[in-house]
Amino acid sequence: GAGVSQSPRYKVAKRGQDVALRCDPISGHVSLFWYQQALGQGPEFLTYFQNEAQLDKSGLPSDRFFAERPEGSVSTLKIQRTQQEDSAVYLCASSLGGLGYTGELFFGEGSRLTVL
Amino acid sequence: TQLLEQSPQFLSIQEGENLTVYCNSSSVFSSLQWYRQEPGEGPVLLVTVVTGGEVKKLKRLTFQFGDARKDSSLHITAAQPGDTGLYLCAGAQGGANNLFFGTGTRLTVIP
Repeated sequence: GAGVSQSPRYKVAKRGQDVALRCDPISGHVSLFWYQQALGQGPEFLTYFQNEAQLDKSGLPSDRFFAERPEGSVSTLKIQRTQQEDSAVYLCASSLGGLGYTGELFFGEGSRLTVL
Repeated sequence: TQLLEQSPQFLSIQEGENLTVYCNSSSVFSSLQWYRQEPGEGPVLLVTVVTGGEVKKLKRLTFQFGDARKDSSLHITAAQPGDTGLYLCAGAQGGANNLFFGTGTRLTVIP
């Protein structure tokens, strides 16, 4: 597609369930980012991939969060044993360049996770 | 923890008024970007500034990067309802490729 695609757009999970959020970046984009955005706040960095390599995962809030991009294209963010504080919008973004390139980030519409 | 603090957090003004949004940090950034986000959508890039003291204009929007590259401002002239949204500054540091986003300013322009 022309833009970054995320699915599902909305996910409701019971506390303790595992969830998987998918991101399909713009074709050919080297860099892929995951951000977490609380209501009315700015996005907070979770993790960064350059192709299939996860170069920075310093923003992942706990070991319940796991991300992968096995073939350097589609990425999945997995949250195990969800907690209420995980409720947020999860944004995926891609950019054309690799490490050190600070060009434009293209964002998807986000996946809104609500944990009951 | 967010490195960039934006002010004001909320701003509601009448159509035709001018406004300024501030983005401040104690850290130095190699470049700074401004994004606008509408409800249910991802942020969309407005501008990138890279040189201390740089000023860029985009129609009624004027962006400035501080001389020390620690702060930035966004000035909107004659605001219109279409300017309504969440404005986010985002800074890049050194060779890192991740952007640190600010706390956001929610602007509402009343017709």
